[in-house]
Amino acid sequence: EPEVTQTPSHQVTQMGQEVILRCVPISNHLYFYWYRQILGQKVEFLVSFYNNEISEKSEIFDDQFSVERPDGSNFTLKIRSTKLEDSAMYFCASSLAGRGSGANVLTFGAGSRLTVL
Amino acid sequence: AQSVAQPEDQVNVAEGNPLTVKCTYSVSGNPYLFWYVQYPNRGLQFLLKYITGDNLVKGSYGFEAEFNKSQTSFHLKKPSALVSDSALYFCAVSDNNFNKFYFGSGTKLNVKP
Repeated sequence: EPEVTQTPSHQVTQMGQEVILRCVPISNHLYFYWYRQILGQKVEFLVSFYNNEISEKSEIFDDQFSVERPDGSNFTLKIRSTKLEDSAMYFCASSLAGRGSGANVLTFGAGSRLTVL
Repeated sequence: AQSVAQPEDQVNVAEGNPLTVKCTYSVSGNPYLFWYVQYPNRGLQFLLKYITGDNLVKGSYGFEAEFNKSQTSFHLKKPSALVSDSALYFCAVSDNNFNKFYFGSGTKLNVKP
């Protein structure tokens, strides 16, 4: 079964450092998402991406965050200058475009745990 | 604005008994509702969804959910719980364009043998 893969599975970084989290979505999917889950809290939407541009973003997704799909397969989330409160599990997800029976189902990766010290 | 609420942090049930995990929603426009399950150290996995049509939706692993418009609820149910159903369950609602999904706070289901 196709899956979304994420790397690294765990990254520890110092406050102020840049971090790049990588995701390989399912190959025929066209919508891409980043969500995060702070330990013990709800899953929060960060950003959605379609047709090489951001289609929606949350208040969390400020100027410190950016996304890109540089090579048509990887989908990356960059945090320019990490803060302690960025410590969380970051989930990448993808879905088909359109409104068919499978189109609006998100397939999630296993997550990348970010620890900011 | 879209939102969902899961009023129970934890649900405990004995194996073989029916289980219910509750979810209520608040939406502007049509409700597009989903249930996802998260096992330890794994991403969220899709269980089922309601977009339109029959109010009773059947999904993976024997789970089902009933869309109730008058009570704005979308409770997840299973007639007979298994120990392997123990996991974290998330209710979610999407915006009208499926650009953004809003998740509930999650309910931990414990099924005891």
